Amino acid sequence: AQKITQTQPGMFVQEKEAVTLDCTYDTSDPSYGLFWYKQPSSGEMIFLIYQGSYDQQNATEGRYSLNFQKARKSANLVISASQLGDSAMYFCAMTSTGGSYIPTFGRGTSLIVHP
Amino acid sequence: DAGVIQSPRHEVTEMGQEVTLRCKPISGHNSLFWYRQTMMRGLELLIYFNNNVPIDDSGMPEDRFSAKMPNASFSTLKIQPSEPRDSAVYFCASSDSNSGNTIYFGEGSWLTVV
Repeated sequence: AQKITQTQPGMFVQEKEAVTLDCTYDTSDPSYGLFWYKQPSSGEMIFLIYQGSYDQQNATEGRYSLNFQKARKSANLVISASQLGDSAMYFCAMTSTGGSYIPTFGRGTSLIVHP
Repeated sequence: DAGVIQSPRHEVTEMGQEVTLRCKPISGHNSLFWYRQTMMRGLELLIYFNNNVPIDDSGMPEDRFSAKMPNASFSTLKIQPSEPRDSAVYFCASSDSNSGNTIYFGEGSWLTVV
């Protein structure tokens, strides 16, 4: 069974600073994918970034990067140069790419960016 | 490209009424998911379809909930009869299991049962 743990219910960051949102996972599947989603107050779930378990380099998408440490089973999201619009809930998720494709989501982290 | 399209966006209904939520997945995606999100329980997977076939419906709360996917471009989630505890945001999501598995969500259907 897969499990995603997000230990930070809430995080605060000053505008223009970087912030790291933690995510650890557990799976017995050798092949899997890790995702981060943003859910602003308007409610939609926005895909941010994807990391495959066999990818050699950490994924980056603009100001978002995924700090993938396979041995530690962690997939932390780093947001650089925070903006007020980054205030939202952030969800870490994973899915197996070699078998069941049913995704597992964490409970989320609420990020508030201060001006 | 059009994303996952859900309707209605908002629905308020009385207890006991039938509710039907609709979803059009992204064209070419072969996997479809229905999720329910509440403050108390977070994001819960209700049912997963692959190639229009229900693969895992273990998350469907009870017999009042049913889901269908008659073709690759349409799915419904039906609640009959509805109860106040069904009030939640219902998300439809789709992915292509042959290509990366990234899951894309619709904007959600906000259901309130009074």
